[in-house]
Amino acid sequence: EIVLTQSPGTLSLSPGERATLSCRASQRVSSSFLAWYQQKPGQAPRLLIYGASSRATDIPDRFSGSGSGTDFTLTISRLEPEDFAVYYCQHYGNSQWTFGQGTKVEIK
Amino acid sequence: EVQLVQSGAEVKKPGESLKISCQGSGYTFTNYWIGWVRQMPGKGLEWMGIIYPGDSDTRYSPSFQGQVTVSADKSISTAYLQWSSLEASDTAMYYCLRGGSSGYYFDYWGQGTLVTVSS
Repeated sequence: EIVLTQSPGTLSLSPGERATLSCRASQRVSSSFLAWYQQKPGQAPRLLIYGASSRATDIPDRFSGSGSGTDFTLTISRLEPEDFAVYYCQHYGNSQWTFGQGTKVEIK
Repeated sequence: EVQLVQSGAEVKKPGESLKISCQGSGYTFTNYWIGWVRQMPGKGLEWMGIIYPGDSDTRYSPSFQGQVTVSADKSISTAYLQWSSLEASDTAMYYCLRGGSSGYYFDYWGQGTLVTVSS
């Protein structure tokens, strides 16, 4: 079973700053099967990135994904007030879907 | 417009059974996987299980295998998550989600169903 570990647990930043979120897999995975989601308080998560680097529909280009092998990154180039939320990575493999534990991006 | 509409909040007692639903619209229901995710209060997302309504192929997380049942009725474009005997630890928000075109990620989410189990 693949385990996804996200870091840091909490990221304290100011609007306008750059956010870099990490997702590390316990073993090498295909980048085709790595996705990122955003969840705001009281809302369902929404898809941001799939295939490690493809933006989902209507996702602003300040969000970007990268990585391969075991290390993947979600970058928010310039934080907007609405970007403060919890972010999850997710992987598919061997008929199992797995989520990381999440990274909270909070206002500093 | 793709939509997943879930059934309303439930309050149950330990030992009771429950079946919650998720109705899809705006797309061909039989052509996409429908999954379920648990989110306990203040915690992260846990994938529970998934079904392909076209042929009822069903997969479960080892953590939830035998604890819940995922099913679907393609005639009414609705997926279900059910428990035969609830426990207090089942108290959580449950989301249904549609597998994307490849099935490897989830492109649409329901609004969530809050299940509270308390004596």
